[in-house]
Amino acid sequence: QLQLQESGPGLVKPSETLSLTCSVSGGSITSSSYYWGWVRQPPGKGLEWVGSIYYTKNTNYNPSLKSRGTISVDTSKNQISLRLTSVTAADTAVYYCRLHVSLLNSAFDLWGPGTMVTVSS
Amino acid sequence: QPVLTQPPSASGTPGQRVTISCSGSSSNMGSYSVYWYQQLPGTAPKLLIYRNSQRPSGVPDRFSGSKSGSSASLAISGLRSEDEADYYCAAWEDSFTSPWVFGGGTKLTVL
Repeated sequence: QLQLQESGPGLVKPSETLSLTCSVSGGSITSSSYYWGWVRQPPGKGLEWVGSIYYTKNTNYNPSLKSRGTISVDTSKNQISLRLTSVTAADTAVYYCRLHVSLLNSAFDLWGPGTMVTVSS
Repeated sequence: QPVLTQPPSASGTPGQRVTISCSGSSSNMGSYSVYWYQQLPGTAPKLLIYRNSQRPSGVPDRFSGSKSGSSASLAISGLRSEDEADYYCAAWEDSFTSPWVFGGGTKLTVL
């Protein structure tokens, strides 16, 4: 059973780069059915899709990020990473690592517990 | 990609049936599958419905989903106090090239 755990700095200064890591235990992170991604939730607000990566290299990002985001997979470490440049207070949120598994006759999600990131000087 | 609109709140009494709507804004909503998530306070979202009306293993059959055209709905029958949560719809084209789009969420209160 796969388990996900996010880790990150907690506090980032405006204009700096946010780097988050999702460590996966309990199995391999590579499968043609796996869609890895990040979803964030500003305090008291709704969910916002940040971006996804499929099969280690096919990426897709929320246009609202304006090309500031990069998602990558490190299969040797069983980790998925998110890098967000030029952060502002609007990037303050709980960031969730998510695996969406899409099969022919079923689907399921696995989510990490989330990590809070605050952008402040 | 569609924009998804949900009512900000809904309520019901124990045992009642409640529905939460999710309205898509664009004509291409038809090519998207709708997913529903439940988020209990302080926890990560949980997938309730995938591909419009399918339930993942372990989700009670009290939860059901439907989609018609550019709108979808989640129905909860036999409402329980533990169903009090935020509910989000999402749309995805079941392809790695497709973005995910989330609705704004509906806070369900069990009276």
